[in-house]
Amino acid sequence: DAGVIQSPRHEVTEMGQEVTLRCKPISGHDYLFWYRQTMMRGLELLIYFNNNVPIDDSGMPEDRFSAKMPNASFSTLKIQPSEPRDSAVYFCASTLDSWRVAFFGQGTRLTVV
Amino acid sequence: DAKTTQPPSMDCAEGRAANLPCNHSTISGNEYVYWYRQIHSQGPQYIIHGLKNNETNEMASLIITEDRKSSTLILPHATLRDTAVYYCIVRVVAGSSNTGKLIFGQGTTLQVKP
Repeated sequence: DAGVIQSPRHEVTEMGQEVTLRCKPISGHDYLFWYRQTMMRGLELLIYFNNNVPIDDSGMPEDRFSAKMPNASFSTLKIQPSEPRDSAVYFCASTLDSWRVAFFGQGTRLTVV
Repeated sequence: DAKTTQPPSMDCAEGRAANLPCNHSTISGNEYVYWYRQIHSQGPQYIIHGLKNNETNEMASLIITEDRKSSTLILPHATLRDTAVYYCIVRVVAGSSNTGKLIFGQGTTLQVKP
């Protein structure tokens, strides 16, 4: 397996634009996590899914953020409208079940200007 | 969720053992201890995990106290490539609405020096 795949690797967008980040988890993994990392706040859990169902979205900063998992092999994190303070590295991770190792993607570096 | 406390930074001489402590005094019976590390801006990488017994793998050893309130990650022979941020996490593995949730704290920045 190629591991967790995120796209794009880098994204630069203007304030107010919609941004969509994509994640393909490892095949067969039941859990999928979205994280945001900044120098100030560290690695924050935004939302996680189990069997395509969102379990906890309490980390989603505000209504501008939304995440979906339409099937077991794909998830998106959307920011609309984007703001400069959304600039960060966004990581996706997946794990086979509730106690096994979580594997992380390479991340998407988002810059909102 | 149980919280963890780690020192913000540590130094270690190359070739020596690195011992990274973690306090998790409120850990519950259905929570495991996990260690991950993050090198530069890469995604975090799994190191090791355990419930109550000591664990060892090709990367490290994990020592968990008998009362499970603290643990130590040991890198037996640290190299310059082990310079990273090390995260200690307690994770609910069953029987909770938070089952499977993986929360990262601030971690310990380990600097391995020549």
